[in-house]
Amino acid sequence: GAVVSQHPSWVICKSGTSVKIECRSLDFQATTMFWYRQFPKQSLMLMATSNEGSKATYEQGVEKDKFLINHASLTLSTLTVTSAHPEDSSFYICSATGGARGASTDTQYFGPGTRLTVL
Amino acid sequence: AQSVTQLGSHVSVSEGALVLLRCNYSSSVPPYLFWYVQYPNQGLQLLLKYTSAATLVKGINGFEAEFKKSETSFHLTKPSAHMSDAAEYFCAVTSGSSASKIIFGSGTRLSIRP
Repeated sequence: GAVVSQHPSWVICKSGTSVKIECRSLDFQATTMFWYRQFPKQSLMLMATSNEGSKATYEQGVEKDKFLINHASLTLSTLTVTSAHPEDSSFYICSATGGARGASTDTQYFGPGTRLTVL
Repeated sequence: AQSVTQLGSHVSVSEGALVLLRCNYSSSVPPYLFWYVQYPNQGLQLLLKYTSAATLVKGINGFEAEFKKSETSFHLTKPSAHMSDAAEYFCAVTSGSSASKIIFGSGTRLSIRP
């Protein structure tokens, strides 16, 4: 149990376009989801925390108008990179916490990541 | 405030040798500690976690870690390295509530020599 999926696994887009990344908890209800970005050979940097039905809480320095997060249900959160530019190219990883069906509320379960390349 | 420090950005061991990846933490509240592994171009997989129960925690793939409060450490060990253990390893700390932020260390890349 406690599986988190992301779609797409990789995406290439032109500069100025918007890209949506989906994060789903497959077998548990994710009351809280987190979005991270990871640059090559670096650790994960938390971008924002979202609770189902509430507005996301963004970390300092993360532009909320550029990285739109929606957590409309207990199994789905989306990250939309608006007007993407080459500097937004990165590996985006989501995680989720929740209870029931093998998931522990004290553990974050990570998705496989989405590789975004902006040309 | 919480933080973790991973000593050594790169560790190389021979196949069959002991693996020791070091992690020290700082926390003003009783910490929950985790080790995650990341294979190239993949997300993070939970290896093991400490949540204030037994101080010696056994995880998947033969890894284990010991919580030592007096040393504020949570080092990861495996008695005998396997080629498939080559990956990036992250130590992490959180306060334990479901919505609390998880703070990651900078990561340690483990290489295995044949």
